Amino acid sequence: AQSVTQLDSQVPVFEEAPVELRCNYSSSVSVYLFWYVQYPNQGLQLLLKYLSGSTLVKGINGFEAEFNKSQTSFHLRKPSVHISDTAEYFCAVIKAAGNKLTFGGGTRVLVKP
Amino acid sequence: GAVVSQHPSRVICKSGTSVKIECRSLDFQATTMFWYRQFPKQSLMLMATSNEGSKATYEQGVEKDKFLINHASLTLSTLTVTSAHPEDSSFYICSASGGGQGVNEQFFGPGTRLTVL
Repeated sequence: AQSVTQLDSQVPVFEEAPVELRCNYSSSVSVYLFWYVQYPNQGLQLLLKYLSGSTLVKGINGFEAEFNKSQTSFHLRKPSVHISDTAEYFCAVIKAAGNKLTFGGGTRVLVKP
Repeated sequence: GAVVSQHPSRVICKSGTSVKIECRSLDFQATTMFWYRQFPKQSLMLMATSNEGSKATYEQGVEKDKFLINHASLTLSTLTVTSAHPEDSSFYICSASGGGQGVNEQFFGPGTRLTVL
């Protein structure tokens, strides 16, 4: 079975500062990786995904993530955050041959003016 | 992108009543739909997976007689919370995949907030 650990439950950050959200996973088989954002009382929106190929993945809203197989990590970054980036962020994995997502515990990002 | 809707967005009901939540894929055929439950400030917990035309597969610890799932068509799945109690109050989110929308990718609905009084 696979598992996902998001190392930070909350990340306060000032507006226009960079942010990094850490995600580590464990799996005995190949996986695909995803980052989702959830705004209050809403569903999940896909930010980006890694399936194969280049380990640096660019997503929507200026986010990017880097897949590191040796460290089993998929950290999310944004060079300059906005107030509107205040939300909950979830890292998730799915087995390459499966269909069930396994989510991390989530990281709450609070952008301060 | 693929769009998934849920209805209602919010529902308040009395203890002992049943509530039905609909999940629809609006622009693609969803061969598989998933139902999640999310408690405040927590992650999503998968409740069950349903494939069109077959019985849902429930995760361990989820009561199938309490949370009835029907996936009668490629665009509609329903979750019925039977004899709801206050502890069933939660945020329920569905997702859908299939129809050539991307490798194993799930598209999420906006969620339904259930409050049981």
